Amino acid sequence: DIQMTQSPSSLSASVGDRVTITCRASQTITNYVNWYHQRPGKAPKLLIYTASNLQSGVPSRFSGSGSGTDFTLTISGLQPEDFGTYYCQQFYGMELTFGPGTKVDLK
Amino acid sequence: EVQLVESGGALVQPGGSLRLSCVASGFTLSVHYMDWVRQAPGKGLEWVGRSRNKPNGYTTDYAASVKGRFTIFRDDSKNSLYLQMNSLKTEDTAVYYCTRVHHGDYFDYWGQGTLVTVSS
Repeated sequence: DIQMTQSPSSLSASVGDRVTITCRASQTITNYVNWYHQRPGKAPKLLIYTASNLQSGVPSRFSGSGSGTDFTLTISGLQPEDFGTYYCQQFYGMELTFGPGTKVDLK
Repeated sequence: EVQLVESGGALVQPGGSLRLSCVASGFTLSVHYMDWVRQAPGKGLEWVGRSRNKPNGYTTDYAASVKGRFTIFRDDSKNSLYLQMNSLKTEDTAVYYCTRVHHGDYFDYWGQGTLVTVSS
């Protein structure tokens, strides 16, 4: 199985901050990674697909980059609705796997 | 508007069985891959399995943790996806989400989830 790791596991930030979350795969996955955001008690929501493509309706302050094994999600100007947990997910392997999540809360 | 509505979650004893349902609306089920994803209480997301679309013969794949115990099937005439869970273990306790898969690549729509609790 392809293992996904994320760092940091949690972070505290203020509204307006620039936030960067990294995701690393245990083997090369080209650009086959997606990013999701989940608020407590809610279903996850797709933000970025195939490493760098912004899902329709998602604000442009979200961006993704990377290829191979290392990927980054950046939020340029954190908003109150952005707090919650962020997950990366690979679809290169037969068995899809998620990262353990990065919890973003209010400083 | 695309909607996915799961049902069937319950409290069940270890070794028992349960069937979850997911009713889809706003799109044609037969065109899409559909997956189940679960989340144990306070934990991260875990992919459970996949049902491919009609052109791909409705074939299925499963996570190693559920293979041989869980079965995904669908009834396109009812626009419904199902997850049959047998030989349930305490570690299967989770919220189960039905998801639509876009071109086999990413989960573009999620249901609200249904809670399965396996406990004696």
